[in-house]
Amino acid sequence: DIQMTQSPSSLSASVGDRVTLTCQASQDISNDLNWYQQNPGKAPKLLIYETSKLAAGVSSRFSGSGSGTHFTLTISSLRPEDFATYYCQQYDNPFYTFGPGTRLEIK
Amino acid sequence: QVQLKESGPGVVKPSGTLSLTCAVSDGSISTNNWWTWVRQSPVKGLEWIGEIYHTSSANYNPSLRSRVTLSVDTSKNQFSLRLLSVTAADTAVYFCARGGGHGTGWMDSWGQGRLVTVSS
Repeated sequence: DIQMTQSPSSLSASVGDRVTLTCQASQDISNDLNWYQQNPGKAPKLLIYETSKLAAGVSSRFSGSGSGTHFTLTISSLRPEDFATYYCQQYDNPFYTFGPGTRLEIK
Repeated sequence: QVQLKESGPGVVKPSGTLSLTCAVSDGSISTNNWWTWVRQSPVKGLEWIGEIYHTSSANYNPSLRSRVTLSVDTSKNQFSLRLLSVTAADTAVYFCARGGGHGTGWMDSWGQGRLVTVSS
């Protein structure tokens, strides 16, 4: 199985900050990586697919990069609605696995 | 935008069968999409259960394959999940979602989630 890890597990930041979240795969997954945002009690929301493509309706403040085993999600200027938990998900394997998440909190 | 909504019992007895249905509205289930089940628990986090195409072709998480069956009813525009021999470890919020083509991995529309508790 491909294992996904995310760092940090939690992060405190302020509105207006630029933050970068990291996701690592246990083996090469090329660019087969998606990012989701989840608020408490809600379903995940697709942000980025295929490492760097913005999902429909998602703010351009979000961007993704990486390849192979190392990936990042960057939020250029935090807004109040961005404080949530972020998950990466690989789909290179015949089945899909998610990372444990990064919780982004207001400082 | 397509809408999805899960329904089914919120409590299942240990060793029983968990059955959930996902109703798809504002769009057809007979599209080039794979219809997906994902569950979330504090212990295991987000876990992909499996996906099904409108032709009934399905793919499953190997860790659950022996206990899971997905089915689709195109006449009712819905798809379903059955999980056999449940234990407390199957307690989770179960989400249905619309995926892209097989191998694309993304899920762009989600149901609100259904909490299922395994308890006697």
